[in-house]
Amino acid sequence: QVQLVQSGAEVKKPGASVKVSCKASGYTFTNYAMHWVRQAPGQRLEWMGWINGGNGNAKYSQKFQGRVTITRDTSASTAYMELSGLRYDETAVYYCAREISRQDERYMDVWGKGTTVTVSS
Amino acid sequence: DIQMTQSPSSLSASVGDRVTITCRASQSISSYLNWYQQKPEKAPNLLIYAASSLQSGVPPRFSGSGSGTDFTLTISSLQPEDFATYYCQQSYSTPRTFGQGTKLEIK
Repeated sequence: QVQLVQSGAEVKKPGASVKVSCKASGYTFTNYAMHWVRQAPGQRLEWMGWINGGNGNAKYSQKFQGRVTITRDTSASTAYMELSGLRYDETAVYYCAREISRQDERYMDVWGKGTTVTVSS
Repeated sequence: DIQMTQSPSSLSASVGDRVTITCRASQSISSYLNWYQQKPEKAPNLLIYAASSLQSGVPPRFSGSGSGTDFTLTISSLQPEDFATYYCQQSYSTPRTFGQGTKLEIK
C-alpha cells in the first residue's frame, strides 16, 4: 500500500538546522509531488513548500525563503526537508504529504505520520 | 496569498445530528478545495477533494459542495468517530493555504 515513513523526533537548539526525511513506498516516486506541512501546538496546518518528484524542482513559502530546502533522492524514493535557523516557536510536527495532480484536481491524499521537532536550549 | 476562513471555529453537536461547516476563500479558487479530518496526535486525513468528490474509503455521510469562494462540508448524521478537527485547504495556487480549523465536539 502507499505509505510515507518519516524520520524520528528531533530536539534542536535555537539557531540549529534540522533535516527530516520522508521515505515513500507503494507507488512510483517520480510521478508525484511531495509537499511539506507543519503544525505548531494548537495551530493550523502551515504549508512550507513542495518538490516535483520527477525533475526535482522545488518551490517554497515566502515565509521560509532562504531557510528551507527540499530535496529528493529518487534512488531511495525519499524526500527531505531541511530547515535552518530554528527558533523556539518552530517547535512543531512536520509532515510530508503526496499530492495528486490531475485536470481540475490537486489534493494531498497520503500523509506521513509526522516528525516532532522540538526547539529547546 | 489566498486566505481561507472557516466557520464556525468550534461546534458542539450530538450523535445523529446533521452538521455543516463553511469555508470561504479570499479570491476565487474554482473547485480547488479539499477537506481534511484530523484527530489528536494524528496526521490529517483526506475526506473530500475538488470541492465535492468523496475520497475512496470515506463514508458517504460526508459530502462537500461549492465553487468559486464559498464551500461547505456536511456530515449528514454524526457518528462518535467524527468528533475531530476539520480543515479546508485550497490547491488553486501556491502557497497552499489551510483554514484555521473547525473543532467538532460532543454536546
